[in-house]
Amino acid sequence: DTAVSQTPKYLVTQMGNDKSIKCEQNLGHDTMYWYKQDSKKFLKIMFSYNNKELIINETVPNRFSPKSPDKAHLNLHINSLELGDSAVYFCASSPFSGADSPLHFGNGTRLTVT
Amino acid sequence: GQNIDQPTEMTATEGAIVQINCTYQTSGFNGLFWYQQHAGEAPTFLSYNVLDGLEEKGRFSSFLSRSKGYSYLLLKELQMKDSASYLCALPADSNYQLIWGAGTKLIIKP
Repeated sequence: DTAVSQTPKYLVTQMGNDKSIKCEQNLGHDTMYWYKQDSKKFLKIMFSYNNKELIINETVPNRFSPKSPDKAHLNLHINSLELGDSAVYFCASSPFSGADSPLHFGNGTRLTVT
Repeated sequence: GQNIDQPTEMTATEGAIVQINCTYQTSGFNGLFWYQQHAGEAPTFLSYNVLDGLEEKGRFSSFLSRSKGYSYLLLKELQMKDSASYLCALPADSNYQLIWGAGTKLIIKP
């Protein structure tokens, strides 16, 4: 199946821990993203990579560090987790980097920090 | 700056028609997206309007008026599976990212 897949689907952890979320797309897209969707359902972009290069880095705490080993993968590592990090994190991809390119989302990772 | 407004929640009846509005303020314009998001799932692309007018895709149509900063999504012959949130989004002035509305939660009743 062609898709954007991210793991894990659920992540429950304690404050102060470090965790990673992985994302892979087999759509052949050049651009990948990390979005955060909070409890009020607003989607906010965190990072975007185009062909492994960082092109968007929003105002996100530096505890969040993305890594793109190749254009099909974009992982997100989070250090020293805080309660406010609890949200759903979506990985997405698009054929090119322009904002007029439709996004294909992964199924999300629901992060709960206790 | 940029801003997007959508109603928070709407209710409609199975088989009926519903129109979900989205108004926006932006200095530049590079198109407007509609996405559907079922509870607990990922957003999925519905439509992208660049030019004024109505674009129809089966039961769903999307309308854009650039001069009025206004778009709507029209859903016909509503089915229970159409119960979802509908998100309006448009490219930021920088054209590298999307600005998202908070979404309209559509509840379909039998």
